[in-house]
Amino acid sequence: AQSVSQHNHHVILSEAASLELGCNYSYGGTVNLFWYVQYPGQHLQLLLKYFSGDPLVKGIKGFEAEFIKSKFSFNLRKPSVQWSDTAEYFCAVNKGAGDKIIFGKGTRLHILP
Amino acid sequence: DTAVSQTPKYLVTQMGNDKSIKCEQNLGHDTMYWYKQDSKKFLKIMFSYNNKELIINETVPNRFSPKSPDKAHLNLHINSLELGDSAVYFCASSQVVRGRDGELFFGEGSRLTVL
Repeated sequence: AQSVSQHNHHVILSEAASLELGCNYSYGGTVNLFWYVQYPGQHLQLLLKYFSGDPLVKGIKGFEAEFIKSKFSFNLRKPSVQWSDTAEYFCAVNKGAGDKIIFGKGTRLHILP
Repeated sequence: DTAVSQTPKYLVTQMGNDKSIKCEQNLGHDTMYWYKQDSKKFLKIMFSYNNKELIINETVPNRFSPKSPDKAHLNLHINSLELGDSAVYFCASSQVVRGRDGELFFGEGSRLTVL
């Protein structure tokens, strides 16, 4: 069964630091990849998604992610974080239309002002 | 207008009771889901419906019964509530775009506390 691993459970950074959150998935075929964010007390929102094409995907709020097929990875990056980026970040994957979207266990990001 | 709305947002009840959570989406999507988020924030899919038809049914106790009266609504009924059912339940919807699933649009969640 496919799975998603997020190795960083809790990340603490100061404002303006650069961010990279790791995400690896286990499925070897064609995949759709997503990053979602959950701000404190709120629902999940899509940050960015990859279906095909350019492996470097740009999302909202200055986030980007790079799909590296050979490494089964889809790491999330932001060059300079802000206090308002404090949230839980979830990587997710599915195999295509009609397939369930599987979420990683999430990474809690805490930005110090 | 909220795209995916759930009611109630908070639910506190005793063990053994039966409760329902309702979900409605006004996005015109064909597929709706229920996810459970536990206290450690782990999100696990429970059910998925496409045009009122059940297409995903994960290993969920029979006490949980989803119902989709039409493609804009997906309700979740839980019988004989147990302590372990305490969680936040998220409804979501999506639409297949060019043969691939689009993003999930989530509701604001329904926090269920079983005492």
